[in-house]
Amino acid sequence: NAGVTQTPKFQVLKTGQSMTLQCAQDMNHNSMYWYRQDPGMGLRLIYYSASEGTTDKGEVPNGYNVSRLNKREFSLRLESAAPSQTSVYFCASGRLGTYNEQFFGPGTRLTVL
Amino acid sequence: EDKVVQSPLSLVVHEGDTVTLNCSYEVTNFRSLLWYKQEKKAPTFLFMLTSSGIEKKSGRLSSILDKKELFSILNITATQTGDSAVYLCALINDYKLSFGAGTTVTVRA
Repeated sequence: NAGVTQTPKFQVLKTGQSMTLQCAQDMNHNSMYWYRQDPGMGLRLIYYSASEGTTDKGEVPNGYNVSRLNKREFSLRLESAAPSQTSVYFCASGRLGTYNEQFFGPGTRLTVL
Repeated sequence: EDKVVQSPLSLVVHEGDTVTLNCSYEVTNFRSLLWYKQEKKAPTFLFMLTSSGIEKKSGRLSSILDKKELFSILNITATQTGDSAVYLCALINDYKLSFGAGTTVTVRA
């Protein structure tokens, strides 16, 4: 039982390049999330998927797209990376309902030059 | 967006000290408040608080929620160097978590 896995762990991009961050969970959770974490700002929600087949914007969606490929997988795409997107990205998953604590992946450290 | 404010931003204590972390918020309609511990990697879940006034405990950690005064506290007693981390609180509303900026706790031997 791996929990939430993310690839890659580290990535360096040049401004304007594109890339996709991958996330998978094996806990049979319905909801999945993408966050970014910047110094002094806590975790901010980029996009989330409450259930398979649905996606919604979070607090900071600009410059990102997501795909809920199936119940297990939720990817985050940067179409044209910008230095402001340098951050640590965390994927999380959670159950629906009242007790919706979220479980986090190990994170991807992205640097955009 | 839901506003969650944590204080202090950081603190340094010595082993054996007691630490009290604060989390205040401006949202009145939410499902639960959560506390996480983050040690350089992914946040790990500590507590979920849904009802006001009921203390949750896990070893040396405890937490309580006051829905009337809109805050929660996390206590750590007899601190150890392994307690050094960033402690995050978050509100659940619908399916979304809104996080505070975190409190960095450093425990010195």
